[in-house]
Amino acid sequence: DAGVIQSPRHEVTEMGQEVTLRCKPISGHDYLFWYRQTMMRGLELLIYFNNNVPIDDSGMPEDRFSAKMPNASFSTLKIQPSEPRDSAVYFCASSLPLGSSYNEQFFGPGTRLTVL
Amino acid sequence: GENVEQHPSTLSVQEGDSAVIKCTYSDSASNYFPWYKQELGKRPQLIIDIRSNVGEKKDQRIAVTLNKTAKHFSLHITETQPEDSAVYFCAASMVENFGNEKLTFGTGTRLTIIP
Repeated sequence: DAGVIQSPRHEVTEMGQEVTLRCKPISGHDYLFWYRQTMMRGLELLIYFNNNVPIDDSGMPEDRFSAKMPNASFSTLKIQPSEPRDSAVYFCASSLPLGSSYNEQFFGPGTRLTVL
Repeated sequence: GENVEQHPSTLSVQEGDSAVIKCTYSDSASNYFPWYKQELGKRPQLIIDIRSNVGEKKDQRIAVTLNKTAKHFSLHITETQPEDSAVYFCAASMVENFGNEKLTFGTGTRLTIIP
């Protein structure tokens, strides 16, 4: 498997524009997590899905952020409208399903977002 | 919810010496404690983890200890090498039979190995 795939790797946009980040989890992984990493706030969990269903979105900063997982192999994180304070590295991670004794979360390479 | 505190935030160690990073957690129900390493510009990767039914786990130069009573766990790196330079994150989770709960991460420790 190629691991968790994220696109784009870098995104530069202007304030007010819509941004869509994409993630393909490892095949067979039932859990998908979206994280945001900044120097100030560290690694924050935004939302996670189990079998395509959002389980906990308490980390989503505000209504400008939304996430979807239409099928087991694809998820999106959308920011609309984007603001400079959204600049960060966004990581997607996936992990093995229920019953597994191994709970490692495998991270994607991240998307570095810069909002001007 | 769970709160994980990590110390120190930065640590410089002479090559060959040992490094220790400590974390405390707040939720006594947490039972899974992984450590992730993030090299500059790279993704976090799991290096070792421990469950609450054991007090210590070792993997070559890396070891993790857990004190459930005091609610703290530590990462020990012996015989440090330049490639150990990275940011290390501890995390805590309550893994139950019905699913994988979310990880709560510490704020990270930037470890620098001085040649």
